[in-house]
Amino acid sequence: AQSVAQPEDQVKVAEGNPLTVKCTYSVSGNPYLFWYVQYPNRGLQFLLKYITGDNLVKGSYGFEAEFNKSQTSFHLKKPSALVSDSALYFCAVRASWGWGQGGKLIFGQGTELSVKP
Amino acid sequence: SQTIHQWPATLVQPVGSPLSLECTVEGTSNPNLYWYRQAAGRGLQLLFYSVGIGQISSEVPQNLSASRPQDRQFILSSKKLLLSDSGFYLCAWSVRAQGGHEQFFGPGTRLTVL
Repeated sequence: AQSVAQPEDQVKVAEGNPLTVKCTYSVSGNPYLFWYVQYPNRGLQFLLKYITGDNLVKGSYGFEAEFNKSQTSFHLKKPSALVSDSALYFCAVRASWGWGQGGKLIFGQGTELSVKP
Repeated sequence: SQTIHQWPATLVQPVGSPLSLECTVEGTSNPNLYWYRQAAGRGLQLLFYSVGIGQISSEVPQNLSASRPQDRQFILSSKKLLLSDSGFYLCAWSVRAQGGHEQFFGPGTRLTVL
């Protein structure tokens, strides 16, 4: 079975400090991994993905994520947080063979990021 | 470029009334389409997905149904709404492409059942 865990319901950081939002996954075979951000009453916005290649993936708005196969993790990071980064963040996974199942993604429960001035 | 539309943006309906939410995608063809529900502003629950016209897969047995009458149109329906149907409904699309299969989400519909 495929699953995603976001162990922190909430992450609080000060503006200018680095931020990390954690994600671990379980999937048979090679994983496709994704991060999304959601602002209040809005749809999810795609941030970045890992499909293959370099373990460090760069995405929108200065975010990056590191794929760690041995730890089955895909943590989201940003070197310097902005107040405007405050939002709900979702990690998602599916197996590389999952297109035969409609390309379904398994989403984590979300982590609320709060960046204080 | 591709865009995805959902309407209405907000909806307040009485218990027992019917429901029809619509999602359309522009700028792509033969997409996979998805309906999600998000309750209490947190976790996403996949309700239905479709890989083609008339092809619907249901993920969770419930009071809702979905239809795909056209390639880029996805409709979520109910004959009689329940209080528990309240939530934020999101439509998404994806295509199989070299380099990734991310899903792209619409703006959502906020449904309140009273």
